[in-house]
Amino acid sequence: GQQVQQSPASLVLQEGENAELQCNFSTSLNSMQWFYQRPGGSLVSLFYNPSGTKHSGRLTSTTVIKERRSSLHISSSQTTDSGTYLCALASTSMQQGTGSKLSFGKGAKLTVSP
Amino acid sequence: SVLLYQKPNRDICQSGTSLKIQCVADSQVVSMFWYQQFQEQSLMLMATANEGSEATYESGFTKDKFPISRPNLTFSTLTVNNARPGDSSIYFCSSHDRGPYEQYFGPGTRLTVL
Repeated sequence: GQQVQQSPASLVLQEGENAELQCNFSTSLNSMQWFYQRPGGSLVSLFYNPSGTKHSGRLTSTTVIKERRSSLHISSSQTTDSGTYLCALASTSMQQGTGSKLSFGKGAKLTVSP
Repeated sequence: SVLLYQKPNRDICQSGTSLKIQCVADSQVVSMFWYQQFQEQSLMLMATANEGSEATYESGFTKDKFPISRPNLTFSTLTVNNARPGDSSIYFCSSHDRGPYEQYFGPGTRLTVL
């Protein structure tokens, strides 16, 4: 089955509200990465976060390996945050000697209204 | 980090034709990956390409349909043979540093098959 479950699938916010996006994974974790996909399709890496909590501006990522989950928190959302957020897992079972392949969640479409 | 460039940005082709998508890295990388993304869906790993060896394909993707070349440590080409409308999607190449394996993506090639 799907190795990475992402929720919610979509989220609509008013500007200034906070968003919490979740990923749960069913296999052993090597790394977790969060991406933002622009409406035009290009991907922006937000966090590489195998464990613990990382901050970047209004964004916070927390990965808890024991609970097999990772979250992305967006505080004080802005209309420019609108887009799709993807989590991607590289598991130890997928890791080759030369690097890890990513298994993506289905994405969370965020819409922030003014 | 690794910067990846793809060419072309987008292409429109007729059914039955073949087309090539090029991926160039700004530094030498051991592994390159190719992903496919259909409209409103997540990214799916197609294959892993290491320099000097045959690409390794994921379930559902074949060498005959999607041959991949990796002639050196900065370059890879994905070919779509006998293109069909069902191949219309965005194709991404990706790679990572030697460690800790944070992945970086090219801007994507949007393919439309008529």
